[in-house]
Order: sequence, then C-alpha cells, then structure tokens
Amino acid sequence: KNQVEQSPQSLIILEGKNCTLQCNYTVSPFSNLRWYKQDTGRGPVSLTIMTFSENTKSNGRYTATLDADTKQSSLHITASQLSDSASYICVVTINAGNMLTFGGGTRLMVKP
Amino acid sequence: DADVTQTPRNRITKTGKRIMLECSQTKGHDRMYWYRQDPGLGLQLIYYSFDVKDINKGEISDGYSVSRQAQAKFSLSLESAIPNQTALYFCATSDSRGLKKTQYFGPGTRLLVL
Repeated sequence: KNQVEQSPQSLIILEGKNCTLQCNYTVSPFSNLRWYKQDTGRGPVSLTIMTFSENTKSNGRYTATLDADTKQSSLHITASQLSDSASYICVVTINAGNMLTFGGGTRLMVKP
Repeated sequence: DADVTQTPRNRITKTGKRIMLECSQTKGHDRMYWYRQDPGLGLQLIYYSFDVKDINKGEISDGYSVSRQAQAKFSLSLESAIPNQTALYFCATSDSRGLKKTQYFGPGTRLLVL
C-alpha cells in the first residue's frame, strides 16, 4: 500500500529557532514530492515541489530535501517566525498522474 | 486560495439528512477534486473529475456522490449523512496543461453530523 509517514506528529519551538520535519514514503512509482503548509482553518498551500532528479528546493526560509534512494524527504525551516505555526504536509504524486498520497502532517507551533 | 471557494464553510446536520457541499473555481482549471480530512490523518480522496464529462471514484467514495455541473463547479453530496462523515472537506483544482500540476485547495467545509 502506498504510504507517506511524517515525523514528528507535533513540534513546539521558540521563535527564531530552526527545525526539521521528516517524511518517509513507500509510494511507487514516484513522480514528485511536495510540501504543503496548512494554516488552521485554511486549505493546504504548496511550498515546494521536487521531482525524482532534484534533491533540494528552497522557498524563502523553507528548504526541502529529497533522497529518492532511501525515499526520504525533509523540510527545514530557518529562523522560525510565529506565522510558521501551521501543519506541514508531505504529499507524494504517483507516476505521471495527478493522484496524490498525503502524509498525516506535522503540527508546528512557534512560540515567542 | 480565494480562486477556489467552498460553501458552506460550516454545517451541522442530523443523521439521515441529505447535504450538498459546493465548490466553485475561477482559475480556469479542468480538474477538480474532493477530499476529506480527519484529525491526525492525511487527506483522503473522495471523488475527482478531469473534465465535465469525467467523474471518478477516489479512495473513499462510499456514501458520497458528486456532480460536475460546469467546468468551474463541482459539488459533493452526502445522500444520507452519518456521524462518521463528520470531517473537514476540501475541494481542489489543477490544470492538466500545467507542468507541475499543482493542486490548489479551497478553504474547506467543516461538517458535523449529529
């Protein structure tokens, strides 16, 4: 069964600190991997997308990495801000189609 | 994303009632999707439509039906609501012509079935 597992489930950090969120997947055949940010009460918004041949992608203070051999991805957030408080969801696309497999998300809380 | 709107945003209903959730988009995308999100779980695909005449079941279609009234509108119906359909429902759209085929999500509808 295609699965996407994320860790930790939740995380609390102080404002200004860095953090790294993890994603492991067993989805096959792999097309691309995305990280979405979901603010409370809102729909998910795409942060980064990486294909099989890309191993890192940045979007401002967010940097995603991908190791297609070990089927692992991480999302690193630098110099966290209060507005980073949200759920971060790892999403893997199967083959060349448009079907997505979602991880359960990591709920991040940034405290002042 | 303001380009994808969902109505209602919140709804409370009783077991056995029929309910319709509506989704509209102004992005001009051909593909539309309905997902449900339960606490701690990933979004699960209910139904998807790649164009007006195309409707496909997702992972968890039982108890749900959909209608693609136009390219811009995709509605989800619960024919006879049950408590375990209490969840957050999201509509999403994507453009089949786009290289990245990113899905853009609406703000969600929070449904409570009593």
